[in-house]
Amino acid sequence: QMQLVESGGGVVQPGESLRLSCAASGFSFSDYGMHWVRQAPGKGLEWVAFIRFDGSNKYYADSVKGRLTISRDNIKNTLDLQMNSLRVEDTAVYYCARDQLNWRSGGHYMDVWGKGTTVTVSS
Amino acid sequence: DIQMTQSPSSLSASVGDRVTITCQATPGINDYINWYQQKPGKAPKLLIYDASILQTGVPSRFSGSASETEFTFTISSLQPEDIGTYYCQQFDNLLTWTFGQGTKVEIK
Repeated sequence: QMQLVESGGGVVQPGESLRLSCAASGFSFSDYGMHWVRQAPGKGLEWVAFIRFDGSNKYYADSVKGRLTISRDNIKNTLDLQMNSLRVEDTAVYYCARDQLNWRSGGHYMDVWGKGTTVTVSS
Repeated sequence: DIQMTQSPSSLSASVGDRVTITCQATPGINDYINWYQQKPGKAPKLLIYDASILQTGVPSRFSGSASETEFTFTISSLQPEDIGTYYCQQFDNLLTWTFGQGTKVEIK
């Protein structure tokens, strides 16, 4: 059974750091790109970052560039999000999601999601 | 950057009704629109990818279609378990992804 389990959320003050992790199981983790997506309280979904299957390229939303860093360990089957210089507006539930590439069309979609971990940035 | 305008922001319909949600996307990006369902307190779930392909295991009352810049998501016969918020999503050639604002679906 394919599963993603996030951890590492908590309450921090503005300017502090936090590291989120996502543990993958039930599929060949090293074959898939991975995303972080977040959802602020009462708001919609916001894509945060994407990392290719081998970690060779990383992509970020403008709102987090330079502060959040996505990484992965294909031996441990884990995806991480290092969050530095946190702001109140980073408060959200953070989801990791598997990227599925449709090789025929070139389309990408997110087909497996974790349940999320909550980050609260408050003074 | 991709601009996506999803409408309506909310709707209320009766069981058995046909429900339609639209997303206006940035012209010329691509046809790779995906649709997700999110129930309260839960993670999103993929329903449709590449504008019209039904994800495995998703009921056939859900469908998607595309015209030049407008993408449509339809529930042919609304069921009580379909309540939740629906999002469209597109990605661009620079590999950044954008979600629509969401449509909250309720039962009348």
